[in-house]
Amino acid sequence: NAGVTQTPKFQVLKTGQSMTLQCAQDMNHNSMYWYRQDPGMGLRLIYYSASEGTTDKGEVPNGYNVSRLNKREFSLRLESAAPSQTSVYFCASSEVTGQGQADTQYFGPGTRLTVL
Amino acid sequence: SQKIEQNSEALNIQEGKTATLTCNYTNYSPAYLQWYRQDPGRGPVFLLLIRENEKEKRKERLKVTFDTTLKQSLFHITASQPADSATYLCALVGDYKLSFGAGTTVTVRA
Repeated sequence: NAGVTQTPKFQVLKTGQSMTLQCAQDMNHNSMYWYRQDPGMGLRLIYYSASEGTTDKGEVPNGYNVSRLNKREFSLRLESAAPSQTSVYFCASSEVTGQGQADTQYFGPGTRLTVL
Repeated sequence: SQKIEQNSEALNIQEGKTATLTCNYTNYSPAYLQWYRQDPGRGPVFLLLIRENEKEKRKERLKVTFDTTLKQSLFHITASQPADSATYLCALVGDYKLSFGAGTTVTVRA
């Protein structure tokens, strides 16, 4: 039982390059999330998927796209990377058990992305 | 606008003492609040959840209080140990989403 896995662990991009961050969970959770974490700013939600087949914008969606490939996998794509997207990216999943409520979130180990 | 504020400065305490962290929020009416621990280079790990109708919750050496009138949660680590050194995040829940504070870094000296 691996929990939430993310690939790659580290990545360096040049401005304008594109890449996809992969996330998978094996806990059969309905909801999945992408966050970025910057020093002094805490975790900020980029996109989330409340259930398979749906995605919604979070607090900071600009410059990103997501795909909920199936119940297990949720990918984050940077189409044209910018230095402002240098950050640590975390994927998380949760089992929503109450109406309109987010339960405990399980986080992956993170992807450290540098855009030059 | 909605805001979550945690102790802005890092907390350095002696082993065996109690660490108290604060989480204040504005313009939220959360049904419940969560606390997470994050070690360097790792993702956050869930510690405790407290509901709006609960005043206090305990788990081993951890204690959380939740005052919806003051819009504040306090997180206590009693009998602290060097292994408790980490960053602690509070998070407010609503509409399938969590909103996180920036975290407070705790260092416990042996």
